[in-house]
Amino acid sequence: SQQGEEDPQALSIQEGENATMNCSYKTSINNLQWYRQNSGRGLVHLILIRSNEREKHSGRLRVTLDTSKKSSSLLITASRAADTASYFCATDKAAGNKLTFGGGTRVLVKP
Amino acid sequence: DAGVIQSPRHEVTEMGQEVTLRCKPISGHNSLFWYRQTMMRGLELLIYFNNNVPIDDSGMPEDRFSAKMPNASFSTLKIQPSEPRDSAVYFCASTFGQGSYEQYFGPGTRLTVT
Repeated sequence: SQQGEEDPQALSIQEGENATMNCSYKTSINNLQWYRQNSGRGLVHLILIRSNEREKHSGRLRVTLDTSKKSSSLLITASRAADTASYFCATDKAAGNKLTFGGGTRVLVKP
Repeated sequence: DAGVIQSPRHEVTEMGQEVTLRCKPISGHNSLFWYRQTMMRGLELLIYFNNNVPIDDSGMPEDRFSAKMPNASFSTLKIQPSEPRDSAVYFCASTFGQGSYEQYFGPGTRLTVT
C-alpha cells in the first residue's frame, strides 16, 4: 500500500483562491517532499520538509508537517491557471531510503 | 543543463516483443530511479541505483523486467516479453546522494503494448 495518501483526490478552484491539500502517511519518516506533475510531463520537485521541521515556505507555497498526526499539508496561495496540475507527496522511512509517492491530488484552477 | 533524458518518448509494440527504455541522468548525479505510473496503481518505484549499483529492486514486477546501469551516464529498463498490462508511463529520475533527496524526473516514456 502507498505510504502517503493525498486528500482530496481532486480540487477545483477559481484563480486567486487558495488551494489546500493534505497528505497522510503511516510510518515514521525522515523527510516529506511535494512534487507537481503537469499533464503528460514528469514530476517537478516543489519543496522538502524534514521530520524535525514544522513549516516551510517557498514563494506562494506553504507546507506544514505534523509528525504526531503523521500528516502534511500543502497550501498554494493566490492560485493561477498555471498551477493546474497533480500534486504528490512523497515520503521516506529513513535517510538514504527510497521515496514512496501518494496517489496525488488533481488541482484545476479556473481562470 | 539538459535535465534527465529519456528515449523513446512513445513506444507502441505488440505483446511478446522486447522493449528497451533508455535514460541519461543529469551529469554528476549518482542515484538513478525507474518508476512506472498508471491510473490504477499510481507512481511505483521499480528499481534504484546508487553509484551504478542496484540498491533496491523490490518493485520490479517479475523476471520479465530487468534494468542495467553500465556507467554513470546511462541506464536501460528492458521488458521481455512485453504484455498489455505493462502499458504505462515509465519515468527515470536522478539525484545526488541516496534515495531521499530531491529527485529530478525525465519526461517519461509512454509504452503501449497491444
